[in-house]
Amino acid sequence: EIVLTQSPGTLSLSPGERATLSCRASQGDSYLAWYQQKPGQAPRLLIYGTSNRATGIPDRFSGSGSGTDFTLTISRLEPEDFAVYFCQQYGDSLYTFGQGTKLEIK
Amino acid sequence: EAQLVESGGALVQPGESLRLSCAASGFPFRNYWMSWVRQTPGKALEWLADIHPEGTNKLYVDSVRGRFTISRDNAKNTLHLQMDSLRAEDTAIYYCARDVGISKSSNWSFDAWGQGTLVIVSS
Repeated sequence: EIVLTQSPGTLSLSPGERATLSCRASQGDSYLAWYQQKPGQAPRLLIYGTSNRATGIPDRFSGSGSGTDFTLTISRLEPEDFAVYFCQQYGDSLYTFGQGTKLEIK
Repeated sequence: EAQLVESGGALVQPGESLRLSCAASGFPFRNYWMSWVRQTPGKALEWLADIHPEGTNKLYVDSVRGRFTISRDNAKNTLHLQMDSLRAEDTAIYYCARDVGISKSSNWSFDAWGQGTLVIVSS
C-alpha cells in the first residue's frame, strides 16, 4: 500500500507570496493528484496526472515531480487560496491520500 | 456540470446499519466508475470503495471490506453504500465522488464530489 507524506503540516505565508507544498510517496511510478479543501466544503480537484490543471483551475497552480517526490506550487497567493491541500495517488487497486497541508495567512 | 448529492447520514449506535445514497445528475452516470470517500473528524481523507460503470466490479479498502457494500442503479442515476456493523471509528463525513482516469494506468483521480453526508456512530 502506498503511503503519502505531505510537508509541511502547516505553511504560513502572505498574499502575493509563492507557496511550495510537498508530497512524498513510499513507492514510485504513479501519477499524483492534488485537491484543495476549504472549511465546510468538499475537496476540489486542482491537479491530475501530476502536472495537469483541472477544468477552471487558475494557472498560478502548477504540479510537478516524478518517482516519489511531488510538488504543488502556487506562484502568487490570492486570499482565496488559503485552505487545506491534499495529495492523492492510485495504485494496487486502491486510492491513497496524504494527511494534508494547511496553508494559512501569515 | 456534474452534480452529486448524498443523503442518508444519521446518528446510529455501534453495530447498527445504515444505507447512504448519492444522486447524480449533469453527466452520463452509467459511463463512470464511482467511489465513496470519507473524512474523519481529524480531517483525514480515506477512500472506501469504488464500482465499475456496469456494477460488475467492486473494490474496497481493507478497513471496510466485508462490512460495507457499494452498489449502483444506473436507471436511477444513484450510487449507494450499505454500511453494516458500524463502529465508532466509522464516524465521518461520507462523500461520493466521480472517478476519472486512464484505464490500466495509475492516472486516476476524483473530479466531482458531493457535499457529503454526516454519519455519527455513538452509544
